[in-house]
Amino acid sequence: KNEVEQSPQNLTAQEGEFITINCSYSVGISALHWLQQHPGGGIVSLFMLSSGKKKHGRLIATINIQEKHSSLHITASHPRDSAVYICAATQTFGNEKLTFGTGTRLTIIP
Amino acid sequence: GAVVSQHPSRVICKSGTSVKIECRSLDFQATTMFWYRQFPKQSLMLMATSNEGSKATYEQGVEKDKFLINHASLTLSTLTVTSAHPEDSSFYICSAAYRGEKLFFGSGTQLSVL
Repeated sequence: KNEVEQSPQNLTAQEGEFITINCSYSVGISALHWLQQHPGGGIVSLFMLSSGKKKHGRLIATINIQEKHSSLHITASHPRDSAVYICAATQTFGNEKLTFGTGTRLTIIP
Repeated sequence: GAVVSQHPSRVICKSGTSVKIECRSLDFQATTMFWYRQFPKQSLMLMATSNEGSKATYEQGVEKDKFLINHASLTLSTLTVTSAHPEDSSFYICSAAYRGEKLFFGSGTQLSVL
C-alpha cells in the first residue's frame, strides 16, 4: 500500500463541472502539496497545506489532519485545466523531500 | 517570483555516453535541491537530495556512481547520468524549496538513450 494514495486515477468531465480529486495518506506529515503536471512534463506547485483550506482563483485545497485526507477542487472547470494532478506529502518539517501519490489524470471536454 | 531553470529540455545520446543536466535557482538560494525521475504514465520518484557543499543523499536503489550529483553553489545542482544505457531513458526533473515554503520545479529533461 502506497503511503500517499489518490483517487480517481482518471477523471473526464464536461467544461464547467465542479471537480474533486482526493488524496489520503497513511503517515504523519508536516505538509501536503498539490502539484499540476502538464503534458509537456512541466510541474507547477499549486498549494502547500498543513491545515485548513487554501484558495487560488478557481482552485481550492482542503486538508483534514485528523482524517489524513486532502481534497483539491476545481470550480467552473475549463479545458485548460486538463493535466495530471499530483498530491505529495512532506514528512519532516523543513525537509521538502516528497512522497508522491500516483496522480489523477484530468480531462475536461469542451 | 522564484524560478528554477533546467537544461537541457531534451537530449538524445548514444549508449555509453554521459549526459549532464543542470538545475539552477534563478533568483533565490537553494541549499537543497531534489532530483526525480518519471517513467511514462508513472508518478515521480525521488532519486536523490542534493545538498550544497556536501554529498548528495541517494534513495534506496539509486546508484550513486551511475547518477552523479554535484551541488557546488547555492544556485546550481547538476545530475550526470554516466555511461547511459537505454534503460536510463526517462524524464528527469529537479525541484528546490523557496524559503521552506513553496516548491519550484524545473521544466524537466527528457533523456533518450539510443
